[in-house]
Amino acid sequence: DGGITQSPKYLFRKEGQNVTLSCEQNLNHDAMYWYRQDPGQGLRLIYYSQIVNDFQKGDIAEGYSVSREKKESFPLTVTSAQKNPTAFYLCASRGLAGGPGELFFGEGSRLTVL
Amino acid sequence: AQSVSQHNHHVILSEAASLELGCNYSYGGTVNLFWYVQYPGQHLQLLLKYFSGDPLVKGIKGFEAEFIKSKFSFNLRKPSVQWSDTAEYFCAVRAGTASKLTFGTGTRLQVTL
Repeated sequence: DGGITQSPKYLFRKEGQNVTLSCEQNLNHDAMYWYRQDPGQGLRLIYYSQIVNDFQKGDIAEGYSVSREKKESFPLTVTSAQKNPTAFYLCASRGLAGGPGELFFGEGSRLTVL
Repeated sequence: AQSVSQHNHHVILSEAASLELGCNYSYGGTVNLFWYVQYPGQHLQLLLKYFSGDPLVKGIKGFEAEFIKSKFSFNLRKPSVQWSDTAEYFCAVRAGTASKLTFGTGTRLQVTL
């Protein structure tokens, strides 16, 4: 089945540790996105990438890093510099061919910092 | 930068009641508009989208939305809600040719039997 796979679904981390969230898509989409979801705040964009080896900061990029070495993969690292990392993280992708299109989302990764 | 406002944070309705969820955006140019739904324990799914043409857009599960350019609005409607519509609903906008999608803060809908 085509889709977006995020792992792990649940992750616990101690303060001061970096953690990497995986996002893989087999939809052959060019663009990939990372959002953070917090209660009452909706989804806020962390980083996005439209092509391999290129990415742009979103609205809340501080304390996060990404890479885009392959079209199908867009991992997100939550660094120790992120002051409030406990959240639900959503990865999404979008095809760019043929004009505007909607985002397709993965099932999310819930990170809890202890 | 564009922004999206959803003024209803939590809505409680009885089954068969009519639904209207507000969505306003701030951007003066061409926009693409979306409503997404997140059922409990499930991933975000697209309900409907507007790119161009007829401003009244029909989506899945009996939902529809109307784009009113003069009011910068894209309100979501359903004539008769069901218990299974209990979920969180997000409005989103893409401004012009931008790649990123900006989301509102969401509306939690609770439908009671």
